[in-house]
Amino acid sequence: EIVLTQSPGTLSLSPGERATLSCRASQSVSSSYLAWYQQKPGQAPRLLIYSASSRAIGIPDRFSGSGSGTDVTLTISRLEPEDFAMYYCQQYGSSPYTFGQGTKLEIK
Amino acid sequence: QVQLQESGPGLVKPSETLSLTCTVSGGSINSHYWTWIRQPPGKGLEWIGYIYYSGSTNYNFPLKSRVIMSVDTSKNQFSLKLSSVTAADTAVYYCARGGAFFDYWGQGILVTVSS
Repeated sequence: EIVLTQSPGTLSLSPGERATLSCRASQSVSSSYLAWYQQKPGQAPRLLIYSASSRAIGIPDRFSGSGSGTDVTLTISRLEPEDFAMYYCQQYGSSPYTFGQGTKLEIK
Repeated sequence: QVQLQESGPGLVKPSETLSLTCTVSGGSINSHYWTWIRQPPGKGLEWIGYIYYSGSTNYNFPLKSRVIMSVDTSKNQFSLKLSSVTAADTAVYYCARGGAFFDYWGQGILVTVSS
């Protein structure tokens, strides 16, 4: 199984700042089959990015994904108050599909 | 707007079978994959498996011997059965649309395994 390791575990930033979240896979993920989700307390995850860099429907363009192979990045260009949440990466290149352990984005 | 809603018992006894149903509204269950994901309290997400509307399945290997998924296209529903549960199966269970990434999710249902 592919293990995804997200870093940092916690990221403390202020609104307006740029956030960079990383996700590293234990082996190359075929065809960049990687997704990012945002989860707020008490809510289901929300799909942000799929295929490493494609934004899901309705996701603001301040969210962008990049990378391929074993290293992908989620960038939030200018943080809005509603962006402070938990973020998970997920690979669907090989079964079993797996998630990273998450990065908590908190207000500094 | 596609909506998913999980339903089922919130409390299951150890060694018994957890049974959940996901009802899809605002869209057809046909021509899509449907997935179950769980999240133990305070922890990360675990993919349980998916079912295609035609009935083909793919389960996460560690759970494979205990999981059965089914679909009822006439009711626009799909279901999860997890047998021989233990406290380690206590989690919020989500149903979601997709067989790769997941674009629509239910709100989740907390299932506690306890006597």
